[in-house]
Amino acid sequence: DSGVTQTPKHLITATGQRVTLRCSPRSGDLSVYWYQQSLDQGLQFLIQYYNGEERAKGNILERFSAQQFPDLHSELNLSSLELGDSALYFCASSVMGTGGYTEAFFGQGTRLTVV
Amino acid sequence: GQQVMQIPQYQHVQEGEDFTTYCNSSTTLSNIQWYKQRPGGHPVFLIQLVKSGEVKKQKRLTFQFGEAKKNSSLHITATQTTDVGTYFCAGINSGAGSYQLTFGKGTKLSVIP
Repeated sequence: DSGVTQTPKHLITATGQRVTLRCSPRSGDLSVYWYQQSLDQGLQFLIQYYNGEERAKGNILERFSAQQFPDLHSELNLSSLELGDSALYFCASSVMGTGGYTEAFFGQGTRLTVV
Repeated sequence: GQQVMQIPQYQHVQEGEDFTTYCNSSTTLSNIQWYKQRPGGHPVFLIQLVKSGEVKKQKRLTFQFGEAKKNSSLHITATQTTDVGTYFCAGINSGAGSYQLTFGKGTKLSVIP
């Protein structure tokens, strides 16, 4: 158990819909990352938050948005869903901030299927 | 933007053979990390390299960071079936002011018993 909790584990929804994925980081971790992993693909970086502020942005679509709340949990919102958005979405957390870099702990992922 | 490339994409080895995966970055990295993802699982941290030319060992695994801090490798000696999974490198380039942890596409290792 990595200590990172993602909900839900599985999500099936129709095209055009909107979903929210939730992530609770490890206790004490201030950084949260979101990644998208399509079948047999690598981990595509979407966005990173540190202590409530956006810190780095990857190839995140305009239809996607995220935020980190004061209690440090994070949500990834995916709207106007398309078939191609079907993927495994991972959240990871780390202590890393402006200082050193530490390992990222990954949650179990949310498998999103758009039909 | 920062790109991290990994080769090969797939590797099939006979149990007992050695395995190496290579990672190359388009920019100089501050740190490089390696992760392993078992089939159906999530990535799990293996190690972090920080210094130019650094070599670290974990039992049968040897990790290297290039002198220019733009490339890295993971070598597994005498593979076992428990080594099956996808190995990812992930680079950080703090010099660009970004804290993005960029992953390579990974090398999927299959071990034939």
